[in-house]
Amino acid sequence: SAVISQKPSRDICQRGTSLTIQCQVDSQVTMMFWYRQQPGQSLTLIATANQGSEATYESGFVIDKFPISRPNLTFSTLTVSNMSPEDSSIYLCSVEHNGDGYTFGSGTRLTVV
Amino acid sequence: SQKIEQNSEALNIQEGKTATLTCNYTNYSPAYLQWYRQDPGRGPVFLLLIRENEKEKRKERLKVTFDTTLKQSLFHITASQPADSATYLCALGGNAGNMLTFGGGTRLMVKP
Repeated sequence: SAVISQKPSRDICQRGTSLTIQCQVDSQVTMMFWYRQQPGQSLTLIATANQGSEATYESGFVIDKFPISRPNLTFSTLTVSNMSPEDSSIYLCSVEHNGDGYTFGSGTRLTVV
Repeated sequence: SQKIEQNSEALNIQEGKTATLTCNYTNYSPAYLQWYRQDPGRGPVFLLLIRENEKEKRKERLKVTFDTTLKQSLFHITASQPADSATYLCALGGNAGNMLTFGGGTRLMVKP
């Protein structure tokens, strides 16, 4: 299965600032997915990132708040912009592996103070 | 609206017993269902996928059933071990592209 390197693993940020999370995959993939997992909750899909096109956002998530880049088939970034304490969460990237399960990054634990 | 329900209460069992976790869904017609394991501070790890035309799937000590009439999947771990203690998530897919929708997860505690 694919191996994903996600960083940073954690960060503590001031409100009003932005944080960019990076995911590097060891193989080329068409779609990359970004999830949020709030404390004690399950995963919620933020957006799907395709190389060469704009990301597709799920209901409740907007590009201005969570801009995504997908410059090539092995890399993507998610930025959490103008952060508030409500953005404190774990953010995860994911790729599908040959139609048989998804591989996740290790996650970025974000705390906004 | 679409809903995926897993027992939010932790499941506590004795080592060696079979753990059975439930995933129920409504207003979905998934093409497949997946089960993941998540340890604290880590991303989910894929365990098993079962498709809508499959009734049962096995992998080592794991067994998954999928009943599209009942809209339910059961996830079994036989001969459970303390190392199996984790949160287990079910996820449904196949309705909208490659998008996965996750249940809330059930925490399993296996006591020695």
